[in-house]
Parts: sequence; C-alpha cells; structure tokens
Amino acid sequence: EEQLVESGGGLVKPGGSLRLSCVASGFIFSKPWMSWVRQAPGKGLEWVGRIQSRADGGATDFAPPVKGRFAISRDDLRSTLYLEMNSLKTEDTGVYYCTTDRASANFPFWGQGTLVTVSS
Amino acid sequence: SYVLTQAPSVSVAPGQTATIPCGGDKIGARSVHWYQQKPGQAPVSVVYDDHKRPSGIPERFSGSNSGDTATLTISRVEAGDEADYYCQVWVGSSDPLYVFGSGTKLTVL
Repeated sequence: EEQLVESGGGLVKPGGSLRLSCVASGFIFSKPWMSWVRQAPGKGLEWVGRIQSRADGGATDFAPPVKGRFAISRDDLRSTLYLEMNSLKTEDTGVYYCTTDRASANFPFWGQGTLVTVSS
Repeated sequence: SYVLTQAPSVSVAPGQTATIPCGGDKIGARSVHWYQQKPGQAPVSVVYDDHKRPSGIPERFSGSNSGDTATLTISRVEAGDEADYYCQVWVGSSDPLYVFGSGTKLTVL
C-alpha cells in the first residue's frame, strides 16, 4: 500500500528556515514526479513546487510566491522527498502535503501533512 | 494566471444527486481533476482526467467537462460524502503550473 509520511514541521520565526521530509513506501519512489501542496488555516489548496523523476531530468519548478526561497530535492535511495524553506514569511503558515505528481497532470496520492507555523 | 471558480457551498439531501461546478476559461480544453477533503484529513483523488475514477472510488462519483465548466456529480449522496471538494488543472503555459479551485463545501442535509 502506498504511503507518504511527512515530518519536520513546527514553529519558526519570520526570516527563519525549515526543512520538511517525506518518506515514501509501497511503491518505487524513483519513478513518479513529486510535488508539495500547502493549505493555509481555513483556506484552500495551493501548489508549492515539484521535482521531476531523475529519469526525466530531475528539474524543479515552483509557484511564484515561493520561487527563490524554497528548494525541493529527492533521495531515491532513501525514498525521501525534501522541501527546504528559507526566508519564511507569516503567509507561509499552513499544512504542507507531499504528493505524487502524475507528470503535469494531477496528484494521485497524498501524505497526511505536516504543520508549519511562521510567527514571532 | 489561470483562475478556477467554485461556489462556496452546495447542499443536498441524502439519496439525491449533488452537482459541483468548476468554471474556467475554455476549461473544456484541459483535463480536470477532483479531490475530496474531509475535516482534519488529507485530500483524496476522486476523479481524474475529467471523468476517470481511481481504484476504490465508488461509481457514484462521476465527472464531465465542456466549454467553460467542469462538473463533479455525486449520485445517491450519503452522509459520508460531506466534505470540501476541489477542482484542479495543469496550466503549464504560465505560473503557477498547477491551479486549484477555491473549493466547494458539500453539506448533506
């Protein structure tokens, strides 16, 4: 059974940094593209960024609000996806979900999410 | 950037049919995907590529897409269908690459 488990969330001050991890199991992690999607408290879903599979080039793309501040990487040997967040702002507060990404289409499978709170 | 428009809420009695629209400019030319999110839980894919259902999703969930509106239809609604429903498309030609609608809260009366 496919499973994605996020960790690394917590409370951080504005301007600070945080790294989220997502450990995958139940499928061959190296194959799918992967994305991060976030949800501010009481709000809707917002795509954050994605990373291609290594076989497809491993390139990353980001939504405008996080471009230049966030980075995504993957360790296929450890079946782990990462989201490195820098220069955090209060508006980055929310639950961050790790998802599989059907290569420029949809997000078939989601983790349970990890909460990031940016506050002084 | 591309915008998807959803009504904030839809209400339906048990056993009836719920229709949840998602509006977007020429959305019929794109593939539309739908997610169900219950309180405190992660989203779950319920329809993809306009009308396909992932494994394990009941046949009561169906989708259509034409012109400027895509629609998620839930037949024989049950209390357990009460949730937020989001539509989503891949844009590709502009930022952001993926766009979600604002979500529709389905209330089962």
